[in-house]
Amino acid sequence: QQQVKQSPQSLIVQKGGISIINCAYENTAFDYFPWYQQFPGKGPALLIAIRPDVSEKKEGRFTISFNKSAKQFSLHIMDSQPGDSATYFCAALRGNTPLVFGKGTRLSVIA
Amino acid sequence: EAGVAQSPRYKIIEKRQSVAFWCNPISGHATLYWYQQILGQGPKLLIQFQNNGVVDDSQLPKDRFSAERLKGVDSTLKIQPAKLEDSAVYLCASSPGASGGAYTQYFGPGTRLTVL
Repeated sequence: QQQVKQSPQSLIVQKGGISIINCAYENTAFDYFPWYQQFPGKGPALLIAIRPDVSEKKEGRFTISFNKSAKQFSLHIMDSQPGDSATYFCAALRGNTPLVFGKGTRLSVIA
Repeated sequence: EAGVAQSPRYKIIEKRQSVAFWCNPISGHATLYWYQQILGQGPKLLIQFQNNGVVDDSQLPKDRFSAERLKGVDSTLKIQPAKLEDSAVYLCASSPGASGGAYTQYFGPGTRLTVL
């Protein structure tokens, strides 16, 4: 019940294209769904997050789509840039509890 | 505001040796977490503190790992004795806690441990 499943494991996108990463969860008690971006040698940094009462949240080129009935959420990166090349983790939690992370997606944006 | 600080950034030890990591959370953050991130995987919780009390240590290998958070601020994580499978990045994170913004966890740069 604590798992968060993330796909794909790796992704290669052309510069200017759209990157899409998907996650699915099982525990319906989760009430906060963040995405973290991690560069090599750095800690994860919060990118964008959503609560389950909202179906979509957009911040600049980054959008989270949330489907509560399907227990799925996804990250869309519009106009992907080489600087977006990093590992992306979806996560979920309930209240002031530890994050449950997906296994990560390594994104490479090529020119 | 200053972020989460961790030291050392890198550590190489022989198996069966001991090692300690230090974390200084963001000022005023009540909740502190230690996560273990094995190469190619997402971080997994080791222990969660609320102020200086342990909230969740169910996934901490207590026969070799220990952690403390004295005075509800800085924290140390110790491994004694280390095993090869402990090679990982150890991440410290903090959050404001029960009051506003509790859900947002901020991570430090991590300590990369290599056990030979």
